[in-house]
Amino acid sequence: GDSVTQMEGPVTLSEEACLTINCTYTATGYPSLFWYVQYPGEGLQLLLKATKADDKGSNKGFEATYRKETTSFHLEKGSVQVSDSAVYFCALSDPQGGSEKLVFGKGTKLTVNP
Amino acid sequence: DSGVTQTPKHLITATGQRVTLRCSPRSGDLSVYWYQQSLDQGLQFLIQYYNGEERAKGNILERFSAQQFPDLHSELNLSSLELGDSALYFCASSVLTGVGYTFGSGTRLTVV
Repeated sequence: GDSVTQMEGPVTLSEEACLTINCTYTATGYPSLFWYVQYPGEGLQLLLKATKADDKGSNKGFEATYRKETTSFHLEKGSVQVSDSAVYFCALSDPQGGSEKLVFGKGTKLTVNP
Repeated sequence: DSGVTQTPKHLITATGQRVTLRCSPRSGDLSVYWYQQSLDQGLQFLIQYYNGEERAKGNILERFSAQQFPDLHSELNLSSLELGDSALYFCASSVLTGVGYTFGSGTRLTVV
């Protein structure tokens, strides 16, 4: 079945450092790919998405490119802030699987220190 | 505020009991999804409703059931609760497929 594998955490960075969180997927069809962020005590918020190969999703300085050839959707940010501290989830939705459910990775906890 | 409302925010109950979690989707969203988040299993899809009808089913136990009412709010019923059912239960809603969901802030269920 469909699955998402993302970089194990936790990740600790200093403010203004570069961030990359790796995410790879397995899907039978042509999925849409997402990054969600969960701040402490809150629900998940959609950070960015890409619906087809070579699409780049971007939001709040974060970017991820849908790479079909490597089945990857790595999350990047050039300069992180303390406010970026959260748990980040990579996810896919594969309508050809017959459902609109999201399949999530296990999450990567990011801590940014001042 | 995401627009998806979940109640209650916290629930503590004993093993063997039954609870009902409630979700009001964002205005205009016809689909409601339920997810369970636990430390060992991560985020698991439970069930989806679309405009009152069940659309997809995931790893939902037989002790759990859900429904979506004509006003589009949804309830998740958990019965014969076990310690392992302790988790965060999220509801999400969407209007279109492939564009991502809006999640509520969750109900934290603790079974003692």
